[in-house]
Amino acid sequence: GENVEQHPSTLSVQEGDSAVIKCTYSDSASNYFPWYKQELGKRPQLIIDIRSNVGEKKDQRIAVTLNKTAKHFSLHITETQPEDSAVYFCAFGGTSYGKLTFGQGTILTVHP
Amino acid sequence: ETGVTQTPRHLVMGMTNKKSLKCEQHLGHNAMYWYKQSAKKPLELMFVYNFKEQTENNSVPSRFSPECPNSSHLFLHLHTLQPEDSALYLCASSQEPRDDQPQHFGDGTRLSIL
Repeated sequence: GENVEQHPSTLSVQEGDSAVIKCTYSDSASNYFPWYKQELGKRPQLIIDIRSNVGEKKDQRIAVTLNKTAKHFSLHITETQPEDSAVYFCAFGGTSYGKLTFGQGTILTVHP
Repeated sequence: ETGVTQTPRHLVMGMTNKKSLKCEQHLGHNAMYWYKQSAKKPLELMFVYNFKEQTENNSVPSRFSPECPNSSHLFLHLHTLQPEDSALYLCASSQEPRDDQPQHFGDGTRLSIL
């Protein structure tokens, strides 16, 4: 079935450093790749997404890159801040009707 | 963001109880979803509704019974649950039930089964 592998499962960085989270997906027909941030006790929130016709997308300190040949996409956070600490989930839209497949999540901790 | 509202936020129930979770979206979306979020597991899709019609039941046990009276409201009726059903239950909505559209989540209901 469809699946996505997300690494690392935990990531600890110092404030100001960069953080990178990578996901590898199974369905080569996938064309939509969102990233969600979930703070403790709060809802998952979409922070950035990319479609298969684009290789990279940026929004201030966050960026997502997509390598369709290798079937992986990555979230890049630059100049990390303590408020970036959260669980980050990748997902991909496959061929199933209305079904996103989510990764296992990465716990990011940014130390002041 | 208050686009998707879920009640209650927390629920503790015994295995023989019957309770319902409620979700309401104010975004004018046509599709609504129920997800189960357990510790150290990916989000599990349970049900998908497209403008009141159920389009997917992801092999969910019958002790979970969804209801969608209109495109803005979604319920999850619970009865004779098991301890392993303890989890965070998230509701989400999107413009259409397509897997290439952003989904907007509620804050979830933290369910504990005694």
